[in-house]
Amino acid sequence: AQSVTQLDSQVPVFEEAPVELRCNYSSSVSVYLFWYVQYPNQGLQLLLKYLSGSTLVKGINGFEAEFNKSQTSFHLRKPSVHISDTAEYFCAVSVTGNQFYFGTGTSLTVIP
Amino acid sequence: DSGVTQTPKHLITATGQRVTLRCSPRSGDLSVYWYQQSLDQGLQFLIQYYNGEERAKGNILERFSAQQFPDLHSELNLSSLELGDSALYFCASSVGLGQGFNEQFFGPGTRLTVL
Repeated sequence: AQSVTQLDSQVPVFEEAPVELRCNYSSSVSVYLFWYVQYPNQGLQLLLKYLSGSTLVKGINGFEAEFNKSQTSFHLRKPSVHISDTAEYFCAVSVTGNQFYFGTGTSLTVIP
Repeated sequence: DSGVTQTPKHLITATGQRVTLRCSPRSGDLSVYWYQQSLDQGLQFLIQYYNGEERAKGNILERFSAQQFPDLHSELNLSSLELGDSALYFCASSVGLGQGFNEQFFGPGTRLTVL
């Protein structure tokens, strides 16, 4: 079975500061990894994905994530956050590419 | 706007009642997924349909059922409702099954409140 752990439930950060949202996963087989963003009162939107190849993946809105197989991690980073980045961020894992297992989410609050 | 529509946006009902949530996938998408998002359980996969047939089941209770119709819209039926069923229910759609990743596009959700 697969599982995802997002250690930080809430992350406050000042505007223009860097941020890292942590994600660790557990799986006995190879997986696909994803980050989704949920803005207030909206559905989830795909931020970026790791399917294969380069371990550093770039997504929308200046976000990037690095897949680390030895540490089973897929941390999300952004060098300089904006107010508009305030949202809930979900890490997810999938074996088949169809059925997803989501973490409990990290609420990012950007402080002016 | 993802192209996935869900109705109603909000639903308030009483314990023991039955409700139906509706989802229309993006044009051309054959797969529909249902998710439940609650404060204590997080975002959980419930069930997937592909072209009218059930393809995968997650943590879906026996009191819940779903179906996908010939026009590809889907309905999630929740019966004998309990207070703990209060949650945000999301529908997502993707092009198909295929091998590998099929990006899922999420609807805005239906907020169910059971009183």
